[in-house]
Amino acid sequence: EDKVVQSPLSLVVHEGDTVTLNCSYEVTNFRSLLWYKQEKKAPTFLFMLTSSGIEKKSGRLSSILDKKELFSILNITATQTGDSAVYLCAVEMDSSYKLIFGSGTRLLVRP
Amino acid sequence: ETGVTQTPRHLVMGMTNKKSLKCEQHLGHNAMYWYKQSAKKPLELMFVYSLEERVENNSVPSRFSPECPNSSHLFLHLHTLQPEDSALYLCASSQTLAGANVLTFGAGSRLTVL
Repeated sequence: EDKVVQSPLSLVVHEGDTVTLNCSYEVTNFRSLLWYKQEKKAPTFLFMLTSSGIEKKSGRLSSILDKKELFSILNITATQTGDSAVYLCAVEMDSSYKLIFGSGTRLLVRP
Repeated sequence: ETGVTQTPRHLVMGMTNKKSLKCEQHLGHNAMYWYKQSAKKPLELMFVYSLEERVENNSVPSRFSPECPNSSHLFLHLHTLQPEDSALYLCASSQTLAGANVLTFGAGSRLTVL
């Protein structure tokens, strides 16, 4: 059965801390892995990863994919209270429009 | 209006009611989706439409009935729902049906079934 597992389920940090969120997957015919941030309601797109070892970066956020070990990490440096959200990992399979989502990691950044 | 707009944002209904959720996308996308998000569970794909044709019905009970009259609008008709159907219903759209499938989500409709 195709599945995506995120860890930890929740995380509380203080502003300025660095956090690492994990996403592991077991799917057939992997195509890409995507990260979304869900603050209030609508998940917003962060990164799409298709190749191993190539870091994607946007400001304080970065992500990398390991297709051999079947996982991805999302790093957030110098966290701010505005980073508080649920971070969703999803995997797209080849020749399919379906995204398999993980349960998400709930991040709370305290002032 | 830009992006993906969903109405209503909140809906409370009894088990015998009939209601509809509406989704409109202003992005010129060709594919639209309904997802269900329940507490502490992953997003579940319900329906997919490509160019107004339904291409996926992910084992969803018949009390949920989708409608896609054109590529910009998507409805989810609800009737005789159960309390366990209470959830956040998210609409999304994408430029293509498959490949580089970056979804743009709406803010969701929070449904409570009494």
